[in-house]
Amino acid sequence: QKEVEQNSGPLSVPEGAIASLNCTYSDRGSQSFFWYRQYSGKSPELIMFIYSNGDKEDGRFTAQLNKASQYVSLLIRDSQPSDSATYLCAVHNAGNMLTFGGGTRLMVKP
Amino acid sequence: ETGVTQTPRHLVMGMTNKKSLKCEQHLGHNAMYWYKQSAKKPLELMFVYNFKEQTENNSVPSRFSPECPNSSHLFLHLHTLQPEDSALYLCASSGGIDTQYFGPGTRLTVL
Repeated sequence: QKEVEQNSGPLSVPEGAIASLNCTYSDRGSQSFFWYRQYSGKSPELIMFIYSNGDKEDGRFTAQLNKASQYVSLLIRDSQPSDSATYLCAVHNAGNMLTFGGGTRLMVKP
Repeated sequence: ETGVTQTPRHLVMGMTNKKSLKCEQHLGHNAMYWYKQSAKKPLELMFVYNFKEQTENNSVPSRFSPECPNSSHLFLHLHTLQPEDSALYLCASSGGIDTQYFGPGTRLTVL
C-alpha cells in the first residue's frame, strides 16, 4: 500500500509568518511530487510540483524535497489570511496515478 | 471556455434515480480521471482513462459506471446510489503522466 501522510492540522500561523507544511511518503520509487491548495467547498488547485532533491521557489512558495528521507515540504513566506486553506500533498508512483495525502488545514490569523 | 468543466455543479437524487455527471476538458490532454472526496477523507481515485481506454478501476461499485467517448469528455453514470455515496465528485485531466488539473466538482447528495 503506497501511502502519503500529512498532519491534518489545523496549523495556525500569524499573518506575515512562515507556514511550513510537511508530507512523507512510503514508496521510495516515487519521482514526482505535487502540492495542491483546496479552499473549502472548492476543487484542488495546483500550486507547485518538484522532481529533484533540494528547493524549488515560486513567489512566496518554496517546495523542498528529500528523497533519501522520503519527505517533501511546502513553505509559505509572508503568510496571508487568503492562504487559509487545506494543502494536499500528492505523489506520482506509476502510470497516470497520483496518491494524495489527507491534507493539512492551514489557518492564517490576521 | 478553458480548463476542466463539470456539470452539474450540484445534484440531489433519490436512491432509485439515474443521473449522469459530465466532465469536459479544453486542455488537449489525453488522460481523464474521476475522484471521490468525502468529508474528512483523502481524495479517492475511482477511474482513469487514457486515450479513451479505461486503465484503472479502483474497486468502485458497479452502481458507478464511467464512459469516455473521446479524450475531451468523461461521464459518470449513477444508479441506485446509497446515502454514503454523497460526496464531492471531481474530474481531472492530465497531458503527461503526472500533473493533473481539476474541474470544479459536482456536489452530490443522495437522499
